[in-house]
Amino acid sequence: KAGVTQTPRYLIKTRGQQVTLSCSPISGHRSVSWYQQTPGQGLQFLFEYFSETQRNKGNFPGRFSGRQFSNSRSEMNVSTLELGDSALYLCASSLGFEKDTQYFGPGTRLTVL
Amino acid sequence: GENVEQHPSTLSVQEGDSAVIKCTYSDSASNYFPWYKQELGKRPQLIIDIRSNVGEKKDQRIAVTLNKTAKHFSLHITETQPEDSAVYFCAASGNNRLAFGKGNQVVVIP
Repeated sequence: KAGVTQTPRYLIKTRGQQVTLSCSPISGHRSVSWYQQTPGQGLQFLFEYFSETQRNKGNFPGRFSGRQFSNSRSEMNVSTLELGDSALYLCASSLGFEKDTQYFGPGTRLTVL
Repeated sequence: GENVEQHPSTLSVQEGDSAVIKCTYSDSASNYFPWYKQELGKRPQLIIDIRSNVGEKKDQRIAVTLNKTAKHFSLHITETQPEDSAVYFCAASGNNRLAFGKGNQVVVIP
């Protein structure tokens, strides 16, 4: 099976712009979770989508949003970018049931100038 | 929500020695505890996990132990090798949501 893929792999944006990141899960997986990874802060949970519905949400401002399509692919959007949004954004997919393993994509490295 | 803490933040070991990383969690409802290894520039990869009805699980040189009463779990790596050098993340899951610790940098000195 193909693994989780993310596009683009690298992005450079300026403050105030908005950005959309994409995640394609492993075939058959219905859950996609998004994480922000920064040095010293580890992996912080953004949100989780299951069957096109947001099922869980972390403690991030409303500038961070997402959606999931009927084929389970997911997008994450960040509006009005700030310097502090520079990070590696990882998505992970799973079957979506309790105690399922999450498999990570390679991440999108976002740099905000 | 769930809060996961990892100790120590950095661990240096001589090749061949053992390494132990400990994590504590706050939510007694958490029932799934995976460990991920992330090498520099790569994605986190699951190396072992444990579910709340099991106290210990082993896979070759890696083992995880879980103490639900004390709400802590540990990763044990025996006979460490240079390729074990990486950042290790523990996580605790409840309600389909994984909460991660901040990671441990493990350095294996040849």
